[in-house]
Amino acid sequence: SQKIEQNSEALNIQEGKTATLTCNYTNYSPAYLQWYRQDPGRGPVFLLLIRENEKEKRKERLKVTFDTTLKQSLFHITASQPADSATYLCALDIRNDYKLSFGAGTTVTVRA
Amino acid sequence: GAVVSQHPSWVICKSGTSVKIECRSLDFQATTMFWYRQFPKQSLMLMATSNEGSKATYEQGVEKDKFLINHASLTLSTLTVTSAHPEDSSFYICSAGIAGRDTQYFGPGTRLTVL
Repeated sequence: SQKIEQNSEALNIQEGKTATLTCNYTNYSPAYLQWYRQDPGRGPVFLLLIRENEKEKRKERLKVTFDTTLKQSLFHITASQPADSATYLCALDIRNDYKLSFGAGTTVTVRA
Repeated sequence: GAVVSQHPSWVICKSGTSVKIECRSLDFQATTMFWYRQFPKQSLMLMATSNEGSKATYEQGVEKDKFLINHASLTLSTLTVTSAHPEDSSFYICSAGIAGRDTQYFGPGTRLTVL
């Protein structure tokens, strides 16, 4: 069965450092992968989408990589700030029908 | 742009009653709307997909007679939890998709507590 795994439930880092989150998937070859941010008690907010033919994508202090051979995406938050503290979710359209399946998320806490 | 609202943001009801949650796309027409459920410390689980004017498609294990979805227009979808029980207490989130775009735009969620 398809599985989407995010490497750790929680990540605590010092302000200014880079946070690196991992999303691994099995038994599927997605055309694209997405990353969302979710704050407590709120709905997810779209951050980045990376397609299978793209190795890397950036948006401000965010960087996403996509390795279809390893079946893995890395999500980096550079120069992290306390305001970056949130849960980050990766999502895949595993059935190629525009319906998203989400990983469990990694909760990032940035200490000032 | 691409703002989705949900109403109410939270609701408390007694066991056995029905609760309706509205999802609206405020500044765009949504060809498809999705309903998710999220339990504490867990990820979002897709419950159903609805297209305007047609019947919703439910994911495996989701009771369609319990979770009624109506997609009356391109900007409004409603989810009715019928005969709610405490185990239905959860965070319900809708999202809207636009034809030709791969991203979904999520609402702020509705916290349902069934006593």
